[in-house]
Amino acid sequence: KNEVEQSPQNLTAQEGEFITINCSYSVGISALHWLQQHPGGGIVSLFMLSSGKKKHGRLIATINIQEKHSSLHITASHPRDSAVYICAVSEDSNYQLIWGAGTKLIIKP
Amino acid sequence: EAGVAQSPRYKIIEKRQSVAFWCNPISGHATLYWYQQILGQGPKLLIQFQNNGVVDDSQLPKDRFSAERLKGVDSTLKIQPAKLEDSAVYLCASSLAGAGYEQYFGPGTRLTVT
Repeated sequence: KNEVEQSPQNLTAQEGEFITINCSYSVGISALHWLQQHPGGGIVSLFMLSSGKKKHGRLIATINIQEKHSSLHITASHPRDSAVYICAVSEDSNYQLIWGAGTKLIIKP
Repeated sequence: EAGVAQSPRYKIIEKRQSVAFWCNPISGHATLYWYQQILGQGPKLLIQFQNNGVVDDSQLPKDRFSAERLKGVDSTLKIQPAKLEDSAVYLCASSLAGAGYEQYFGPGTRLTVT
């Protein structure tokens, strides 16, 4: 079993829909990261959070430490949101990043 | 604030050739990371520097890969000789310090070995 599990693996939605991507982890963490990767390869860090909720524009990230679960939400989705969204956790024993497999999101106009 | 810079963005070489990638981290960031991301997989940490010292290079194939960060700022990653399985995106990231600080990623270098 992977230490960081994301769901769904692939998600296709229509423009304007509310998007939820989930991440569950099994190790002790110091922080959880949500990152975005476009087809060109570059990675952009969206959020780093260790508790509660963070919001940036149309993106919202939440984390439940007790349940070892985080969600990334996108409101009013747009085709430019199409990308791979990756959840990664900083393990609290050595702070190395453990990466999820990513969720490929396609937003259709 | 300028982001993490990497060059080249794309590189195509034949197997057994050598290649070098360059990374300039965000100014003031002490920690620099090199990752290898093979298509369809998550990034794999190759090496982590703290200033100009190596913190972790346990997953670096040292028979063919080398990396340096001589003055604690820029870094180069070299592959010599390249193999077909080295085809991947090589990502550089930096953070203010190591433990628990947010990593900022560069655009990556896409390497194709033919």
